[in-house]
Amino acid sequence: DTEVTQTPKHLVMGMTNKKSLKCEQHMGHRAMYWYKQKAKKPPELMFVYSYEKLSINESVPSRFSPECPNSSLLNLHLHALQPEDSALYLCASSFAGPYNEQFFGPGTRLTVL
Amino acid sequence: QQQVKQSPQSLIVQKGGISIINCAYENTAFDYFPWYQQFPGKGPALLIAIRPDVSEKKEGRFTISFNKSAKQFSLHIMDSQPGDSATYFCAAIGSWGTYKYIFGTGTRLKVLA
Repeated sequence: DTEVTQTPKHLVMGMTNKKSLKCEQHMGHRAMYWYKQKAKKPPELMFVYSYEKLSINESVPSRFSPECPNSSLLNLHLHALQPEDSALYLCASSFAGPYNEQFFGPGTRLTVL
Repeated sequence: QQQVKQSPQSLIVQKGGISIINCAYENTAFDYFPWYQQFPGKGPALLIAIRPDVSEKKEGRFTISFNKSAKQFSLHIMDSQPGDSATYFCAAIGSWGTYKYIFGTGTRLKVLA
């Protein structure tokens, strides 16, 4: 199984809502990543988990809260988002660190009203 | 100093032609350079990657050329096919205190049948 799955595929939320994005992989990878991608722009790294510990936080606002419950799962908790946070949120995983091939999921398309 | 400049922004090539996409970086601490292909509605997928101790790497129709002194690298797609029509991102990874994973701005390639 060489797939990274993400749920939901689409999410519409208001600025006062709390929601979560979920990412799962069963490749035995020990590094997992969250990226944000705006339309016609490159992915921007948000967070990196290495061996279930947060190793990189690219100065992301606290309204985004990552969680890695186990080595196969990665969540991104969302609260009090702004309309400018609307984007495609991509999850990726790699065997170890960033120098290994990253496998990306299809993303969650988030719209904040 | 952490930017990766990519050109052209868009590219139209006839079927069977060669597609060439260029990237340039500034920080010599970058030491791993992958190329990603992204189709609409999908996450990026790794095409090919190179380290700066190698000047060229070929995988099938895809070749990376690397010029360490000029801090430039390029992707060549030989015998371009309509199925290659996608957005291509170069990226640069380095580690100075913490990992940096920077994507180029992207090139939208269209291969005409």
